[in-house]
Amino acid sequence: GQQLNQSPQSMFIQEGEDVSMNCTSSSIFNTWLWYKQDPGEGPVLLIALYKAGELTSNGRLTAQFGITRKDSFLNISASIPSDVGIYFCAGQLENSGGSNYKLTFGKGTLLTVNP
Amino acid sequence: ETGVTQTPRHLVMGMTNKKSLKCEQHLGHNAMYWYKQSAKKPLELMFVYNFKEQTENNSVPSRFSPECPNSSHLFLHLHTLQPEDSALYLCASSRGGDLLGYTFGSGTRLTVV
Repeated sequence: GQQLNQSPQSMFIQEGEDVSMNCTSSSIFNTWLWYKQDPGEGPVLLIALYKAGELTSNGRLTAQFGITRKDSFLNISASIPSDVGIYFCAGQLENSGGSNYKLTFGKGTLLTVNP
Repeated sequence: ETGVTQTPRHLVMGMTNKKSLKCEQHLGHNAMYWYKQSAKKPLELMFVYNFKEQTENNSVPSRFSPECPNSSHLFLHLHTLQPEDSALYLCASSRGGDLLGYTFGSGTRLTVV
């Protein structure tokens, strides 16, 4: 099946530092989504991107839809302890075969923030 | 409260047991999904239902049997599972292709012994 390569797999940072993670693929995506998953919970949507080149912010979070439509990145500025969790990228493939609600997920980035 | 409720939150079952996972949403969504989340692997889509009709089965073994009696409820019936089936099973729902409203439940942590 289609794969999203998400990196890094994990990050250990100090409170206040900025963080960057990204997802790449050999396939073209119509939509990119970024989710955060806290321990014992399901993923929660952070940012949705719908257009190549789009740059969107949500508080301290900024995400961009790559111009080639094959990648996306997420930045977190001035990290705080509650940013701890697993961050997932997800995309909706250009050729979803009519299943326009089918998402492909990355493996996730585990973020640890040291106070 | 996410709007998608899954029960139970934790389940331990033997390989010869039969159990069921339940998912309920009151968001007015028409599509419901089962995902499997294993450590260090991407979320794996298992089944998709749209207006109670199954529209996708991603080559899931028959020991997993989904049921969708209406657009608000989704079940996953489990029987003769294997230890490698231990994982977090997530339910999600959406209003068709509205990805902004794609909402996950908290999951059922399943352990097969």
